[in-house]
Amino acid sequence: DSGVTQTPKHLITATGQRVTLRCSPRSGDLSVYWYQQSLDQGLQFLIQYYNGEERAKGNILERFSAQQFPDLHSELNLSSLELGDSALYFCASSPQPARMGNTIYFGEGSWLTVV
Amino acid sequence: AQKVTQAQTEISVVEKEDVTLDCVYETRDTTYYLFWYKQPPSGELVFLIRRNSFDEQNEISGRYSWNFQKSTSSFNFTITASQVVDSAVYFCALSEANTGNQFYFGTGTSLTVIP
Repeated sequence: DSGVTQTPKHLITATGQRVTLRCSPRSGDLSVYWYQQSLDQGLQFLIQYYNGEERAKGNILERFSAQQFPDLHSELNLSSLELGDSALYFCASSPQPARMGNTIYFGEGSWLTVV
Repeated sequence: AQKVTQAQTEISVVEKEDVTLDCVYETRDTTYYLFWYKQPPSGELVFLIRRNSFDEQNEISGRYSWNFQKSTSSFNFTITASQVVDSAVYFCALSEANTGNQFYFGTGTSLTVIP
């Protein structure tokens, strides 16, 4: 158990819908990262937050947004869903930003299926 | 350009064989960090090891060993006497102290250990 909690674990929704994925980082971790892993694809970095502020943005679509709340949990909002958004979405956390060299620990992921 | 290259997409070995997974990285930072993660069929990403750029000592943990060579920008991972439970996708990753707020992951190597 990495200590990073993601909900829901599985989600099936229809095209055009909107979903919210939730992440609770490990106790004491201020940085949260979101990654997308499509079928047979590698890990695509989406976005990173540190203590409530956005720190880095990767290949995140405009239909997607995220935020980190004062209690440090984070949410990834996916809207106008398309079939191609079906993927495993990971949240990860670390005590400090990536450049400090901390290990990032991943949650178990949220499996999103868009039908 | 890819910052982390895992040229081996898929590897199959017979149980008890040794196998080496290659990882080549690219960075201009003098301070950086390298990681390996394992993703078994169940999907979660499990942290295996972290190295910083100032520590070139090779590391051994049970059947796992890592060879870090700055001269060739490589951080290779060897599994000795492979077991079926080692079947997974293995990811190498890099974070940079001065230039980044994100982790750069390779595309992963899928290892299948045949009983």
